[in-house]
Amino acid sequence: DGGITQSPKYLFRKEGQNVTLSCEQNLNHDAMYWYRQDPGQGLRLIYYSQIVNDFQKGDIAEGYSVSREKKESFPLTVTSAQKNPTAFYLCASSLGSSADTQYFGPGTRLTVL
Amino acid sequence: AQSVTQPDIHITVSEGASLELRCNYSYGATPYLFWYVQSPGQGLQLLLKYFSGDTLVQGIKGFEAEFKRSQSSFNLRKPSVHWSDAAEYFCAVGNDYKLSFGAGTTVTVRA
Repeated sequence: DGGITQSPKYLFRKEGQNVTLSCEQNLNHDAMYWYRQDPGQGLRLIYYSQIVNDFQKGDIAEGYSVSREKKESFPLTVTSAQKNPTAFYLCASSLGSSADTQYFGPGTRLTVL
Repeated sequence: AQSVTQPDIHITVSEGASLELRCNYSYGATPYLFWYVQSPGQGLQLLLKYFSGDTLVQGIKGFEAEFKRSQSSFNLRKPSVHWSDAAEYFCAVGNDYKLSFGAGTTVTVRA
């Protein structure tokens, strides 16, 4: 089955540690996205990538970093510079245009203790 | 910049009753509009989308939405709600290869 996988589903880290969230897709999509979801705030775009080896900052990129070395993978690193990292993180992919459907993974809930 | 407003944070509806969720957008050109649904702790699933043509769009699970340019709205409707429709619903507008989401409306279905 084609789809998007995110791992792990739950992640706990101590304050001050960097952590990397995994996102893999086998839909052969060019574009991939990372969103952060907090209660009552909808989804906010962190980073997106339209092609391999290229990515752009979204609305809330501070304290996050990404890489896009392979078409199917778009890992997100939450660094110690992110002031409030506890949140639900969603990865998505699409063919790439504004009219294309974005397909979402199941999400990773990160808790920083 | 585009933005999306979902005026209702929470709606409670009886099973079998009709449902309407409101969405207003702010965008200069013809928008690409989407409705997604999210069950607790899960990812988002597309219900329907609009980008041109007929202003009444049919989606999955019996949902439909109507694009009204004059009101900058894209309201989601379902004639008869099932208990499984309890979830959070997000309206989004697409532009410049990105989506901007509203804050979401949580739907509770009572028996």
